[in-house]
Amino acid sequence: QVTLTESGPALVKPTQALRLTCTLSGFSVSSTGVRMNWIRQPPGKALEWLARIDWDDDKFYSTSLQSRLAISKDTSRNQVVLTMTNTGPADTATYYCARTLSRSPVGDAFDLWGQGTVVTVSS
Amino acid sequence: QSALTQPPSASGSPGQSVTISCTGTSSDVGGYDYVSWYQQHPGKAPKLMIYEVARRPSGVPDRFSGSKSGNTASLTVSGLQAEDEADYYCCSYAGSNTVIFGGGTKLTVL
Repeated sequence: QVTLTESGPALVKPTQALRLTCTLSGFSVSSTGVRMNWIRQPPGKALEWLARIDWDDDKFYSTSLQSRLAISKDTSRNQVVLTMTNTGPADTATYYCARTLSRSPVGDAFDLWGQGTVVTVSS
Repeated sequence: QSALTQPPSASGSPGQSVTISCTGTSSDVGGYDYVSWYQQHPGKAPKLMIYEVARRPSGVPDRFSGSKSGNTASLTVSGLQAEDEADYYCCSYAGSNTVIFGGGTKLTVL
């Protein structure tokens, strides 16, 4: 079964770093063509794309957040990790891991999503 | 980059058709034929409904269709059904391997 499962802290204090993990099942993060993304959604608000990492370790970031984000992959654990530094209340959101549609030339469509992990940034 | 502009709400009666617009700029929607649409029910993850403006993934009913003209993309849902009530988000390629989402539209089936 092909699934994505996000995990991470439910509560983070402002200014602390946030580390989120996406565990892949049914396919490998290192398989040719696999591109993995993090997307977030604040409560009651719209989706926001954050970052992407490709099978060949290419990495891409949201222009507005790139200074605070780092995406990586652990091939031995079949996981994708997102680290966000200097968090604030505006980072409170559900964070989703999503796979780019394989036939998408530019990586604009996401065909497999995790259930999301809820993160609250508060003191 | 600002979010793509979608109407906050749309509605239609069962069996009717409804169209949701998604307006961007020449740097995103207007510059590329890479617009996707997502359906999100409350408390659930988004689901891909349309990609590359008008292509449907396997399993998505043909009641859902997409189009684009200039800087505006559109999602049309024909033959509205109760289960189509959800939030819908557009997404566009914005160059340099980045994407941008719309603000979302809440579709109500009356």
